[in-house]
Amino acid sequence: KQEVTQIPAALSVPEGENLVLNCSFTDSAIYNLQWFRQDPGKGLTSLLLIQSSQREQTSGRLNASLDKSSGRSTLYIAASQPGDSATYLCAVTRSGGSNYKLTFGKGTLLTVNP
Amino acid sequence: DAGVIQSPRHEVTEMGQEVTLRCKPISGHDYLFWYRQTMMRGLELLIYFNNNVPIDDSGMPEDRFSAKMPNASFSTLKIQPSEPRDSAVYFCASRRRDRGLILPKMNTEAFFGQGTRLTVV
Repeated sequence: KQEVTQIPAALSVPEGENLVLNCSFTDSAIYNLQWFRQDPGKGLTSLLLIQSSQREQTSGRLNASLDKSSGRSTLYIAASQPGDSATYLCAVTRSGGSNYKLTFGKGTLLTVNP
Repeated sequence: DAGVIQSPRHEVTEMGQEVTLRCKPISGHDYLFWYRQTMMRGLELLIYFNNNVPIDDSGMPEDRFSAKMPNASFSTLKIQPSEPRDSAVYFCASRRRDRGLILPKMNTEAFFGQGTRLTVV
């Protein structure tokens, strides 16, 4: 059974700092890993999708890396801003068979202080 | 496209009442997922559909829960009778499979609706 873990559960940083969020998964047989952002009381917004054949994906100040063999992904946020404050979730889609569900971690609550 | 649309956004109901949550996926998406989010358990998959057919309902907690997808543009999740422990945020998501492949792969993004916050008192 795939398990996804995100560390730390919460992170508080001053504005302007670069930061890294971590995601690990137990089963390396995945199609892809997706990072989401969730604001309080809102839905999930897709940030980046990184396929199993890729090592990195970038979007603006965000950079996601994937090391499938070790079961790890990181989300790097450069020059953090108060508007980046949210919960960040990672989710994997397992490969093989026909089960295309996403399995989620419990998220990292990020607070960027002005 | 307007994205995945869920209704209602908030629902407060009394224990024992029937609750119906609604979802309109993104047009052209083959897969529709229902998730439940709680503080304790995070996001859990309840059920998902492929081309309107339920594929995996192993996450549906009890017979009180049922889901349907009568057509490609509409799905419902029903709880009857509702209980206080059903209080959670329910999300609907959709995604499409890769095109042009013999075996479908899921290297596409999943998109989520804004959720329905259900409170059962």
